[in-house]
Amino acid sequence: GAGVSQTPSNKVTEKGKYVELRCDPISGHTALYWYRQSLGQGPEFLIYFQGTGAADDSGLPNDRFFAVRPEGSVSTLKIQRTERGDSAMYLCASSPVHGNTIYFGEGSWLTVV
Amino acid sequence: RKEVEQDPGPFNVPEGATVAFNCTYSNSASQSFFWYRQDCRKEPKLLMSVYSSGNEDGRFTAQLNRASQYISLLIRDSKLSDSATYLCVVNGPGNTGKLIFGQGTTLQVKP
Repeated sequence: GAGVSQTPSNKVTEKGKYVELRCDPISGHTALYWYRQSLGQGPEFLIYFQGTGAADDSGLPNDRFFAVRPEGSVSTLKIQRTERGDSAMYLCASSPVHGNTIYFGEGSWLTVV
Repeated sequence: RKEVEQDPGPFNVPEGATVAFNCTYSNSASQSFFWYRQDCRKEPKLLMSVYSSGNEDGRFTAQLNRASQYISLLIRDSKLSDSATYLCVVNGPGNTGKLIFGQGTTLQVKP
């Protein structure tokens, strides 16, 4: 497919466990974004990559959250010692140019029990 | 104050009605503005970009008022299929590429 691909689509994990969420952006898009969305809220910015580097990680809530994009394409969002409050939809988006229209994947629903 | 503020609604309107949503933003240096649409439990999708001179796409009209730092979306002749959440989006400070989303305004069009 030509769109942003996210896996897994759903993840249920126990409190305290480690989780990885993967994002495969649209081919050729250099900008990649991670957002988190809770019910009834808009998407909350977490981190933005331009190429391989994190251009802005000001939205990561604490040091349990980390994201990488080692080859400038696929990105992984890593959450350590998960807490129930981490339960949300995690959205990845990509864009050909930063600050321009972004295209979202279908999201990864994370439930921490 | 939130960086992007919207009235969450819900707005309940009959088919055929005209409805308008407003959004305010705090960063006077913002340069990029968008409206996204989000259906229940789905990802947001671009509805339209918002340009300084205002722009129209079929039944949808977007306006930008830089002096007052607000953005509007007007939907004419509402359809049942317009029922969704509408998200106002503004680029963040520092031109880092960060896009800030509002909470969203929920529209329910009734027969």
